[in-house]
Amino acid sequence: SYVLTQPPSLSVAPGQAASITCGGDNIGRKSVHWYQHKPGQAPVLVVYDDNARPSGIPERLSGSNSGNTATLTINRVEVGDEADYYCQVWDTTIDKPVFGGGTRLTVL
Amino acid sequence: QVQLQASGPGVVKPSETLSLTCTVSGISISRKYWSWIRQPPAKGLEWIGNINNGGSANVNPSLKSRVTILMDTSRNQFSLNLRSVTAADTALYYCAASTLSGTLDAFNVWGQATVVTVSS
Repeated sequence: SYVLTQPPSLSVAPGQAASITCGGDNIGRKSVHWYQHKPGQAPVLVVYDDNARPSGIPERLSGSNSGNTATLTINRVEVGDEADYYCQVWDTTIDKPVFGGGTRLTVL
Repeated sequence: QVQLQASGPGVVKPSETLSLTCTVSGISISRKYWSWIRQPPAKGLEWIGNINNGGSANVNPSLKSRVTILMDTSRNQFSLNLRSVTAADTALYYCAASTLSGTLDAFNVWGQATVVTVSS
């Protein structure tokens, strides 16, 4: 099945930018979705179809996707952005969604 | 506004069947696809399966032999049955759906987690 690879962790200082990557074979040909998951809460969709934002998601969060890497960028990181972030695509070979392993974003 | 509310027992004995129900409000269940997703302790998200607006289920191949997903349109609910559970099935279980136009798998609506522990 299709494998998505994310770095386990990323640390960034408040006010800086964070780039969370999601690697996959020709992932640029797929639609990538991103979720923010905080402890004790349900995941929240923050970017879908590579770079679209659901209503209520701030413009500081943006997505891109090309080649073998998709990226979620969070500009002007805030303490409230601290969470686990997951990428997700639809695996057409076995007709199911696949999640990356998740990246824990720590705001120093 | 679409909302999901999951319910079910918090503890299931090994080898028994886990049964969860998700109640949908704000939209007819016949209009969208509805998924179950879980997260084992200290692990990532795993899609279990979904049921479409026609009542047909699509299940993760890794769980296919143990999973049944059903829809009850009269109650606007869908359900998950996971048979022969083991400790590896201990997880947070979520029901989820996409209500966005043009995509079936960007899950923008989630129910709260149901904590399920497999223990004797």
